[in-house]
Amino acid sequence: EAGVAQSPRYKIIEKRQSVAFWCNPISGHATLYWYQQILGQGPKLLIQFQNNGVVDDSQLPKDRFSAERLKGVDSTLKIQPAKLEDSAVYLCASSLQPLGETQYFGPGTRLLVL
Amino acid sequence: SQQGEEDPQALSIQEGENATMNCSYKTSINNLQWYRQNSGRGLVHLILIRSNEREKHSGRLRVTLDTSKKSSSLLITASRAADTASYFCFQETSGSRLTFGEGTQLTVNP
Repeated sequence: EAGVAQSPRYKIIEKRQSVAFWCNPISGHATLYWYQQILGQGPKLLIQFQNNGVVDDSQLPKDRFSAERLKGVDSTLKIQPAKLEDSAVYLCASSLQPLGETQYFGPGTRLLVL
Repeated sequence: SQQGEEDPQALSIQEGENATMNCSYKTSINNLQWYRQNSGRGLVHLILIRSNEREKHSGRLRVTLDTSKKSSSLLITASRAADTASYFCFQETSGSRLTFGEGTQLTVNP
């Protein structure tokens, strides 16, 4: 069974530029999550999708971050414009259902904003 | 707001010893999970314990849950150098909020 795929693996941009991350979850997983993990901290949930609908985006900085999962499969997370404090690893995870389930994580995208 | 805390922040032991990590939380939970993260890589699920369970085992792992104290412990027995990683507890609250702790960095010295 293929795992969660993410790309790119690394990205370096300058502040005020835009960047996009892509995630392909495990086939058949209805729930998809995006997390931000700052160095030395635990992952913080940015947004949770159930199929193509948003379950929770309460911690997503909506003035600069956006995410979509148009067909209920792949997802993209965008930052525009980026700030220095956005430097982090962006993790995508998926699960069969939204609650009480194991989450399977991708390798993450490491973003450095200069 | 932070749902829970983990302690210790860092733990260094010798191979063969046991390692215990603790996780506390503030509001009631549906379940609590433990994940491992090796340096620079994604998280791997270790074990899930539901709010009506008190203890679960998986290989060398033992997880306990005390809902009266709002705390959980992860015990790794007979540790190996390959167990060196960061360990995170993850809470699904009764209000369906999902939160990771700050993690415990475990170093197992050969």
